Amino acid sequence: RKEVEQDPGPFNVPEGATVAFNCTYSNSASQSFFWYRQDCRKEPKLLMSVYSSGNEDGRFTAQLNRASQYISLLIRDSKLSDSATYLCVVRYNDYKLSFGAGTTVTVRA
Amino acid sequence: GAGVSQTPSNKVTEKGKYVELRCDPISGHTALYWYRQSLGQGPEFLIYFQGTGAADDSGLPNDRFFAVRPEGSVSTLKIQRTERGDSAVYLCASSLTSGINEQFFGPGTRLTVL
Repeated sequence: RKEVEQDPGPFNVPEGATVAFNCTYSNSASQSFFWYRQDCRKEPKLLMSVYSSGNEDGRFTAQLNRASQYISLLIRDSKLSDSATYLCVVRYNDYKLSFGAGTTVTVRA
Repeated sequence: GAGVSQTPSNKVTEKGKYVELRCDPISGHTALYWYRQSLGQGPEFLIYFQGTGAADDSGLPNDRFFAVRPEGSVSTLKIQRTERGDSAVYLCASSLTSGINEQFFGPGTRLTVL
């Protein structure tokens, strides 16, 4: 079983729509949680950390449910530039990141 | 400022050959990581350096893979007797100290083994 599982999508949405997706993780000792964004043939870049209380960064909202071991990301008012692969990432020690396979989002005009 | 750089950006080699992939971390970053990303998958951890020493090499798939960081800055990932299954993007990341700090990724080296 993979440490981090994600729905691969693709999620194909019109501009202005809201899109949400989540991931599950298997290691209950996981300490830190993140969403990374990866554009085609580019490196992953940190989008946001995810906190237990939930947190927002502009149009992006992340939630963490430790009891059920899942993490979610919601994108409001989607822009064309939001088209990317979103990687769910978990860290359960001081350094090793475990990545999901990614959820592909395509925003169309 | 300069980010993490990796060379070459692309490497095509034949099965059985030896390759070296180089990573230049962000200046002042003591922690360095190598990950491997296969098509359609997320990056997978290979090795973590704190300074010159490999603090965790548990992700290296077998003894054909080896990495060094002799002066605590530039790192080289070495793959002996390459196999077609080694084809992937090899990503390097660095962070200020330990992984508690954000890991910044380089653009990767796309390795193709024919």
